[in-house]
Amino acid sequence: KAGVTQTPRYLIKTRGQQVTLSCSPISGHRSVSWYQQTPGQGLQFLFEYFSETQRNKGNFPGRFSGRQFSNSRSEMNVSTLELGDSALYLCASSFGQLDPGELFFGEGSRLTVL
Amino acid sequence: AQTVTQSQPEMSVQEAETVTLSCTYDTSENNYYLFWYKQPPSRQMILVIRQEAYKQQNATENRFSVNFQKAAKSFSLKISDSQLGDTAMYFCAFMKHRGSGGSNYKLTFGKGTLLTVNP
Repeated sequence: KAGVTQTPRYLIKTRGQQVTLSCSPISGHRSVSWYQQTPGQGLQFLFEYFSETQRNKGNFPGRFSGRQFSNSRSEMNVSTLELGDSALYLCASSFGQLDPGELFFGEGSRLTVL
Repeated sequence: AQTVTQSQPEMSVQEAETVTLSCTYDTSENNYYLFWYKQPPSRQMILVIRQEAYKQQNATENRFSVNFQKAAKSFSLKISDSQLGDTAMYFCAFMKHRGSGGSNYKLTFGKGTLLTVNP
């Protein structure tokens, strides 16, 4: 069974640009969560989607947004990039209805902002 | 809000020995879940072990076991018979119980402990 797939794996952007990251969950999973990982702040929760609805949101500015499609694939977008947005962005998928849910992580998208 | 603290940024252990990673947390919740995740150099995070706060028995998974002290808000991970493949960053994480409704699919992570297993 295929795992969580994140694309692109690496990307370089400049300040002020925007970026879109994609996450394909494990087949059958309806929940997709996003996390930002940086050396200074560690792993921080961005948001979680279930059946195309945002169920939970972390403390990030409005420049960070996401969406989920009917096939459960999710995208996150960061607009007006800042140097501090350089990070590894991890996506995790889960069935979304179990308690607790086991989250399965992708390998991440490494974003560098110059 | 919950906080998770891992006080050991780095640790090392010899192959076949036992090592314990520390984690403390702070929460006002009574029901919750605690996890240890492993992130090897390839970066894919993997669940190592899970503990339900309402269970007094400590969770075990093969060579991995936890020491859960609810009153002290402590959740340490013991790795027995360490193997080279255990070299990774280990994260302690907290998740609320769903009891109060809504989605609880949000993990609060500690900063991690980099464990190196030496041959």
